[in-house]
Amino acid sequence: GAGVSQTPSNKVTEKGKYVELRCDPISGHTALYWYRQSLGQGPEFLIYFQGTGAADDSGLPNDRFFAVRPEGSVSTLKIQRTERGDSAVYLCASSLLGSNEQFFGPGTRLTVL
Amino acid sequence: GESVGLHLPTLSVQEGDNSIINCAYSNSASDYFIWYKQESGKGPQFIIDIRSNMDKRQGQRVTVLLNKTVKHLSLQIAATQPGDSAVYFCAERIGNQFYFGTGTSLTVIP
Repeated sequence: GAGVSQTPSNKVTEKGKYVELRCDPISGHTALYWYRQSLGQGPEFLIYFQGTGAADDSGLPNDRFFAVRPEGSVSTLKIQRTERGDSAVYLCASSLLGSNEQFFGPGTRLTVL
Repeated sequence: GESVGLHLPTLSVQEGDNSIINCAYSNSASDYFIWYKQESGKGPQFIIDIRSNMDKRQGQRVTVLLNKTVKHLSLQIAATQPGDSAVYFCAERIGNQFYFGTGTSLTVIP
């Protein structure tokens, strides 16, 4: 079956612009996570969805970051007024509820010029 | 974030030998510890997990050992193959959050 997909695979934007990153989880996976990974580092937790609601958004670095999952499937990570420090690979993962086995997408590489 | 560290950022092993990747953690509130493998250009891939009240768990060619006394976790890979070359992350689960370490890059020498 299809795995987790993320679009776009690469995004280059200018400082101050708004970007949206999309995640299509595995069908039937209730849990969805967003992570940010900088070069040479492990993934950094951003937000966790259980169904449609953001069950834990404590990892979002500031109020420029926001994520939605309106129908409990596809999720969008939104970043306002992008800064150069936002440049990273943004990873999405989904899993069955309560499982430690997260299935990661290939990520979106965001570059803020 | 929580502190999950790894000993030795790089590790090279001969094909067929066993590999041991180590990880230290600091938070005793962890529910689970998980190992992930990440190949270049891809997202991490789940390998194995261990509940915090266990000492050892075995999978296919992999064994995870947990020493809660010294807050140390290790991943042992038996008969390492070229396809095992990747970055390995340990992660700890606390509630709904997963905290990843910085990774160990494993290179398998043919």
